[in-house]
Amino acid sequence: GGIITQTPKFLIGQEGQKLTLKCQQNFNHDTMYWYRQDSGKGLRLIYYSITENDLQKGDLSEGYDASREKKSSFSLTVTSAQKNEMAVFLCASSIAKQGWSAETLYFGSGTRLTVL
Amino acid sequence: QQKVQQSPESLTVSEGAMASLNCTFSDRSSDNFRWYRQHSGKGLEVLVSIFSDGEKEEGSFTAHLNRASLHVFLHIREPQPSDSALYLCAVRDMGYKLTFGTGTSLLVDP
Repeated sequence: GGIITQTPKFLIGQEGQKLTLKCQQNFNHDTMYWYRQDSGKGLRLIYYSITENDLQKGDLSEGYDASREKKSSFSLTVTSAQKNEMAVFLCASSIAKQGWSAETLYFGSGTRLTVL
Repeated sequence: QQKVQQSPESLTVSEGAMASLNCTFSDRSSDNFRWYRQHSGKGLEVLVSIFSDGEKEEGSFTAHLNRASLHVFLHIREPQPSDSALYLCAVRDMGYKLTFGTGTSLLVDP
């Protein structure tokens, strides 16, 4: 089995700050995803990547940048943190090459963001 | 645009009593359905996947899909307190877009 590691687990930022979240997977999966989870709103896709150096926008990409530096890692940047923002950011991976995966997604345990 | 809604928002059952969760979707051409579970502070883990009308069982979890009525159910047989978690359904449409529901928070009382 494999594992997805997200760092940091907790992130506290200031309004307007640029914040970076990191994700590593050792499944050797092709596709990686970043989701945002807000209470009462389910998971919303921010970015996904089907291979190294590929980036595809999801429904919620505005305000974020992403980078797939290598097959095993996918980072997400909040370009300007919004005051009082609180959310959980989940990284996931899947074996399939197509972006909208037919296969099961495997998730990390999340990064909890609080903006003061 | 696909809409995926789950009910109830929260559910409390006694240990050992069947728990039934409902997921309603809007796109009848959807062809790929999964139930995930999320324990507090953790990521999501897949419980059961179903791709055609009928039932699919994985351990104590049974998914029941009825595309005509736009429902996919999750039944949990003899739930334990360790099954207390947020349960999310995920629906994929023919355009390969995956949409998650907002979840049902299940509490199993010992």
